[in-house]
Amino acid sequence: AQRVTQPEKLLSVFKGAPVELKCNYSYSGSPELFWYVQYSRQRLQLLLRHISRESIKGFTADLNKGETSFHLKKPFAQEEDSAMYYCALNTGFQKLVFGTGTRLLVSP
Amino acid sequence: DVKVTQSSRYLVKRTGEKVFLECVQDMDHENMFWYRQDPGLGLRLIYFSYDVKMKEKGDIPEGYSVSREKKERFSLILESASTNQTSMYLCASSLSGGRTYEQYFGPGTRLTVT
Repeated sequence: AQRVTQPEKLLSVFKGAPVELKCNYSYSGSPELFWYVQYSRQRLQLLLRHISRESIKGFTADLNKGETSFHLKKPFAQEEDSAMYYCALNTGFQKLVFGTGTRLLVSP
Repeated sequence: DVKVTQSSRYLVKRTGEKVFLECVQDMDHENMFWYRQDPGLGLRLIYFSYDVKMKEKGDIPEGYSVSREKKERFSLILESASTNQTSMYLCASSLSGGRTYEQYFGPGTRLTVT
């Protein structure tokens, strides 16, 4: 079955603390994974994709095929990082399966 | 800049009414999608379309239908609205091609069925 699991509904950290949002996937083929983010009162938008291997707004995510994971990390959280984060898996033909989302709350 | 617009931000309908949600994109994208977003359930794909007059069922198509008569417009139809269809509905569009393209989302329509 094609599935994305985000085990944490809410992650609460203090400003400057490291952040790791967990994402595990189940997929029989070669996975293509994404992180989408929705800030308060804004549209859902792409944050990063694993194939690009880039850092966006200080966030990185590494695909670990052995652990079937694609965790999102940032060494020092900022208050403006507070948002809803969704991990997504391409299941073919541009279709994405999304996880249930993790709300990140960064407190001052 | 890609723009995806949805006809209403908020909609209140009665049980049994026929409901139309409209989505328009201005970037000549081939693919269009309808999702519903519920707390604790994330985004779930209802229907998608990869070309005019083409449609494919997503993961939760029951109780919904769609129409794509023009490339830029993708409509979601609730034939007989029910209270369990109260949700946030998101439309998205993307290019088509050899790789997976970014999906661009609309602002959402919060539908309440009473």
